[in-house]
Amino acid sequence: ETGVTQSPTHLIKTRGQQVTLRCSSQSGHNTVSWYQQALGQGPQFIFQYYREEENGRGNFPPRFSGLQFPNYSSELNVNALELDDSALYLCASSLNIGENIQYFGAGTRLSVL
Amino acid sequence: GQQLNQSPQSMFIQEGEDVSMNCTSSSIFNTWLWYKQDPGEGPVLLIALYKAGELTSNGRLTAQFGITRKDSFLNISASIPSDVGIYFCAGQPQGAGNNRKLIWGLGTSLAVNP
Repeated sequence: ETGVTQSPTHLIKTRGQQVTLRCSSQSGHNTVSWYQQALGQGPQFIFQYYREEENGRGNFPPRFSGLQFPNYSSELNVNALELDDSALYLCASSLNIGENIQYFGAGTRLSVL
Repeated sequence: GQQLNQSPQSMFIQEGEDVSMNCTSSSIFNTWLWYKQDPGEGPVLLIALYKAGELTSNGRLTAQFGITRKDSFLNISASIPSDVGIYFCAGQPQGAGNNRKLIWGLGTSLAVNP
C-alpha cells in the first residue's frame, strides 16, 4: 500500500472522446509524475508536476495535458482519444522535486474502442 | 521512447533457485531503481541505488549499481512462489537536471514452479 490512489480503475472510451484521470498523492508528497504503460512494456514518462506547475515532459503530444491542485492531487487529461492511447496510466508521487524514489498507484486501465 | 536494455525477458524457475537479472544503458545513470509489478497493480519499489559500486540488500533481494554507471543487476536468492511477477529496472540519466523522469526497462517476467 503506497498511499497513492487513482480513479477510476477502469475506463472505456471511443475514439475522439476526452478523458480525465485522477490521482491523490501520498500524504506530504508535493511531486506527481504520470506514466503510460502499454501491454508488455515498461512505463513511459508523460510529465511531472511540482507545486502546481509542469516540471518536465516526455515525448507525448499536446493533447495530453495535466493539472496539479494546491493539495498536490493531480489530473491527467487526454483529448481526441486514439486507439493507441489504450494503456495502463500510472501516477507516481515523490516526497519532493529532488527525490528520485517514486511511489505508484495501481493505475487506471483505459480502453479506447 | 527511451528504454533500458533489460534481460532476460522472462524466466521460469523452480522454487528455491536463485535468480539474476540485469539492466544496461548506453549512457550514464545517476540512480538505479528496481521495481516489482503484480498483475493489475502499479510498480512497487524494491531497492534504490545511488552510487557507483553500491551493493544493497532487501531480504532475499540484492542489487548493485555498476561501477561504469551504465548497468545494474538484481539477484533473488531462494525464490518462493510469491516472487512471481514482472521486475523492472528504472533509472535517472545523468544531466536530467530537476526533471526526475525515470527511464524504464521492458521488464523481466518471473514464474516460479512450486
